[in-house]
Amino acid sequence: AIQMTQSPSSLSASVGDRVTITCRASQGIRNDLGWYQQKPGNAPKLLIHAASNLQSGVPSRFSGSGYGTDFTLTITSLQPEDFATYYCLQDYNLWTFGQGTKVEVK
Amino acid sequence: EVQLLESGGGFVQPGGSLRLSCAASGFTFSSYAMSWVRQAPGKGLEWVSIISDSGNTFYADSVKGRFTISRDNSKNTLYVQMNSLRAEDTAVYYCARRGVGTSDYDEFFDYWGQGTLVTVSS
Repeated sequence: AIQMTQSPSSLSASVGDRVTITCRASQGIRNDLGWYQQKPGNAPKLLIHAASNLQSGVPSRFSGSGYGTDFTLTITSLQPEDFATYYCLQDYNLWTFGQGTKVEVK
Repeated sequence: EVQLLESGGGFVQPGGSLRLSCAASGFTFSSYAMSWVRQAPGKGLEWVSIISDSGNTFYADSVKGRFTISRDNSKNTLYVQMNSLRAEDTAVYYCARRGVGTSDYDEFFDYWGQGTLVTVSS
């Protein structure tokens, strides 16, 4: 099974900060990776698919990059509504989530 | 508007069974693969199972042989039959629609229900 290692597990940031979250796959997965945002008590929300494709309706401050084993989610200017937990998800071979990154208020 | 509504969660003893349902509306249910994803209390997301539009099924190793995913396209409903339940199956169970982008390799979960809680405890 493909393992997804996400880092950091948590980070503290302020509004306006640039935030970067990484995800590493245990084997090459092309660009078969998505990013999801989850707020407490809510279902996950799709942000990015195919590593870099922004889902319709998602603000352009979110971006993704990467191919093969290493991927990055970037939030260019953190907004108050962005404090949440973020997960990567590989869909190359079945599906595997990363452990999550909690973005907290500094 | 796409809507997914899970039901059937509750309290069950170890070794017991439970069937969850996910009622779908707002899209052509029969044309989409559907999945179950779970989240243990305070933990991360775990993919559980998926059923294709044609009925092919796949499972995570953690539930293989114990859970059975199915669908009734006439009722626009997704199911998961959970048998031999364990304490570690305690979680909120979400159903999610599998979307496809511009290529068949571009898969994602674009719509999610609000989840139903399953608690396995003696």
